[in-house]
Order: sequence, then structure tokens, then C-alpha cells
Amino acid sequence: AQSVTQPDIHITVSEGASLELRCNYSYGATPYLFWYVQSPGQGLQLLLKYFSGDTLVQGIKGFEAEFKRSQSSFNLRKPSVHWSDAAEYFCAVGGNFNKFYFGSGTKLNVKP
Amino acid sequence: GAGVSQTPSNKVTEKGKYVELRCDPISGHTALYWYRQSLGQGPEFLIYFQGTGAADDSGLPNDRFFAVRPEGSVSTLKIQRTERGDSAMYLCASSLLGQEGDEQYFGPGTRLTVT
Repeated sequence: AQSVTQPDIHITVSEGASLELRCNYSYGATPYLFWYVQSPGQGLQLLLKYFSGDTLVQGIKGFEAEFKRSQSSFNLRKPSVHWSDAAEYFCAVGGNFNKFYFGSGTKLNVKP
Repeated sequence: GAGVSQTPSNKVTEKGKYVELRCDPISGHTALYWYRQSLGQGPEFLIYFQGTGAADDSGLPNDRFFAVRPEGSVSTLKIQRTERGDSAMYLCASSLLGQEGDEQYFGPGTRLTVT
């Protein structure tokens, strides 16, 4: 069965520091993987997605993610965090009919 | 262009009442999804429409939940005899074709509170 685990519920980083949010998935076939961001009062916004090919994927707002099949991971990274990046981040895997299975999310706080 | 819209943005209802939540997808998107997001959790799949038909309703928690999409555009999620446990954010998403790997565009959600 498909599932996604985001082991970190909350993360706090200082503005300008690097960021890595962890995501592990379980899926029988080649996964379609996504990272979404959710700000208060806002809908989920797609940051990036992985289908196949290059395992390092570039997204919007300076985010990137690396697919590692051997570790069943799709971690999200950003080299320098901005205060506006404070939000909740969700990793998802696409299953049958492209319905998404989401992790429970990681809340990012940014210290000035 | 216009994104996915959902109305109302907030709904407070009493236990046992009936509610309807509306979703307007992006024009031309054939696939429409409903998800439910409880506090502190990620969205959980409820139902998927391809055109007018529900292709997968395996996520509906019980027969009090029902959804329609009669003209292949707007969808309504209907909840009968609401219970306090139904309180959550209900999210709607649409995608162009519903093919594997298609991006889903999410609406802002309807926050349902059952008192």
C-alpha cells in the first residue's frame, strides 16, 4: 500500500540557514512524487514534482528535492531560507487514478 | 486565470444537520478530487471524478458522505447527519486529465465545524 512518512513534525531554522525536510515513501511501482506548501489561509501550492529521469528536481522559490530509490526518500532542500518560507510542507506520492497520498506534514518556523 | 474555488470558506453546523460543500475546478480540467484534512494531518483522499462519474470513491468514510458532479464541472460534497468527527478542512483539487503524475491544483478549502 502507498504511504508517505514525514518524520519531522516541526523544524525551526534561522533565516539564511540551509533547510532539509525529510520524506520517505512506500509504493510498489515507480513513484510520482510531489512537494506542496501550505500557508495559513492558502491552498496547497506545488513546489516541485518527480516523474522519472534526473533524480535532482528543481522547483519554485529556490527549492529542490532529490529522489533516492535505494532509500525510498524524496527530501526537500533549500540552501538559504527566507522568513517567507515559514509554512507547512507536505510530501505526496501519486497512486492509482493519480490520487495523492500525503504525509502528515512538517511545520517550518524561521527565526530572524 | 482563475484557480480552484470552494464555497463556503467556513461552515458551522449543528450535529445531525445536512451540509453541502461546493467546488469549482479550473475550467477544462476533467479530473476532480476531494480530500479531507484533519488538524495536524495531511490531506486524505475521499473521492475522484473523471468527468461526471465517480471513478474512485474508496476514501469516503461511510454512507453519510456523497458527492456529485452532474455536468463534469462543479462538484458538491454532501454530508448527511453530520457528526462532530466530521469537523475538518475539506479540500478540492482538479487536474487536466487525471493521468498519473498530473499536477493537482488545490482550492483554499472549506473549514467545516460541527458543534
